[in-house]
Amino acid sequence: NAGVMQNPRHLVRRRGQEARLRCSPMKGHSHVYWYRQLPEEGLKFMVYLQKENIIDESGMPKERFSAEFPKEGPSILRIQQVVRGDSAAYFCASSPLGLAGTYEQYFGPGTRLTVT
Amino acid sequence: DAKTTQPTSMDCAEGRAANLPCNHSTISGNEYVYWYRQIHSQGPQYIIHGLKNNETNEMASLIITEDRKSSTLILPHATLRDTAVYYCIVRADQGGKLIFGQGTELSVKP
Repeated sequence: NAGVMQNPRHLVRRRGQEARLRCSPMKGHSHVYWYRQLPEEGLKFMVYLQKENIIDESGMPKERFSAEFPKEGPSILRIQQVVRGDSAAYFCASSPLGLAGTYEQYFGPGTRLTVT
Repeated sequence: DAKTTQPTSMDCAEGRAANLPCNHSTISGNEYVYWYRQIHSQGPQYIIHGLKNNETNEMASLIITEDRKSSTLILPHATLRDTAVYYCIVRADQGGKLIFGQGTELSVKP
C-alpha cells in the first residue's frame, strides 16, 4: 500500500509565478490536510479537505492561496503570484474515515518550494 | 485543543530507553494524546496515540498518568535513526487539524 505521495518534491518559481503542489492520499483515505513549515520554524496547519469539500481553512492565508480535492485525482494546493516569503516545505497528510480514535494522519515527503 | 509542554531537547545513549515527557494539564475528557516525530527534512511520522490506557505498538509505548495531565513516550531501545523532533499533541477525537508545538529534539548518541 503506497504512502502519501506528493509532487513535485522540489519546485522553483520566480516571484509572481504560480505554484501548484499535488498530493495523492493513501488508498482508501478520504481526508487530506496541508501544512506548511517555514525555514527554522514549526509545522503550521493550512487547510483540511474531504472530497469536493473544504472542511477547515482557518490556516490559509487570505489571499493568493487556494486548495481543492476533487472527486477524481489528487488534492492541489495552489499559490498564485508567489513571493519570497512563500519559500517553505509544504506537507500533505491523509487520514481514513474511521471509528473514534482512529484519526491518525499519515504525511507525505513534502514539496520544497523555493521562490527566487 | 489543550496546550502541551515538552522539554526543548534531550539526549539518549544508543541502545538505552528514551523517555520523552509531555505535560497537558488542561486536557479534556474527550481529548486524545498523539505523538508524532519528524526526522530532519522528512514528513512527520505518526508514532502512537491513546486516551487513558497505556498503549504499545511496534515503535513505542505511551504511558498516560491516571489523572491524564501528563504522559511519557518510551522508545525502548533507541537507535541513531531515532534522532528527531518529537511532538506531543492533544486533540479531540473529531478529526481535523494537528497543532504542532516546538516539540522535543531528541539526539541519540553512540
